[in-house]
Amino acid sequence: DVKVTQSSRYLVKRTGEKVFLECVQDMDHENMFWYRQDPGLGLRLIYFSYDVKMKEKGDIPEGYSVSREKKERFSLILESASTNQTSMYLCASSSGQGASYEQYFGPGTRLTVT
Amino acid sequence: AQKVTQAQTEISVVEKEDVTLDCVYETRDTTYYLFWYKQPPSGELVFLIRRNSFDEQNEISGRYSWNFQKSTSSFNFTITASQVVDSAVYFCALSEGGGNNRLAFGKGNQVVVIP
Repeated sequence: DVKVTQSSRYLVKRTGEKVFLECVQDMDHENMFWYRQDPGLGLRLIYFSYDVKMKEKGDIPEGYSVSREKKERFSLILESASTNQTSMYLCASSSGQGASYEQYFGPGTRLTVT
Repeated sequence: AQKVTQAQTEISVVEKEDVTLDCVYETRDTTYYLFWYKQPPSGELVFLIRRNSFDEQNEISGRYSWNFQKSTSSFNFTITASQVVDSAVYFCALSEGGGNNRLAFGKGNQVVVIP
């Protein structure tokens, strides 16, 4: 079974802190994704990566950056956390380069910025 | 641009009733893929089904069934004889054929099954 793990289930940070959210997958998938989920807005794509050291902006990249130094690990970075970044963050991975592959999701990190 | 619309936000049903979730999509591509995911209270999205744009055959898997109609750009999902374990948020998603597996999600349907 594909396993996608995220470093924390719950995280509380202060405004202005630098925040790292880590995601690891164990199935040698090429693609990895970061989403945020907010009530009434569904899932919105922040960034994705289709190869090591490669990254592409999603729909809402402002205020975030990412890092993919190893194939299995994809990190989301909040350079200076703000209260409007309080959300549920979901990581996903998928294999292949086409559009047909399903994504496998981690359990999510609920981030609260105070 | 791609867009997925799930009109109903929260749907409550009594156990053993059927529930249908509507999904309408927009795309200019002729090749695309549609997905349904389930998000139980634990939070982890679970893949349920994938359909490509060239396969309009409806599918039944146990109590779940899917109705794909290109003519109306819809990919609806029905749970037959609902159970409490079906209580979850269900998402419809679209991936365009020329893309790199990027998904556009609908806003989700919260299904509450009342015992």
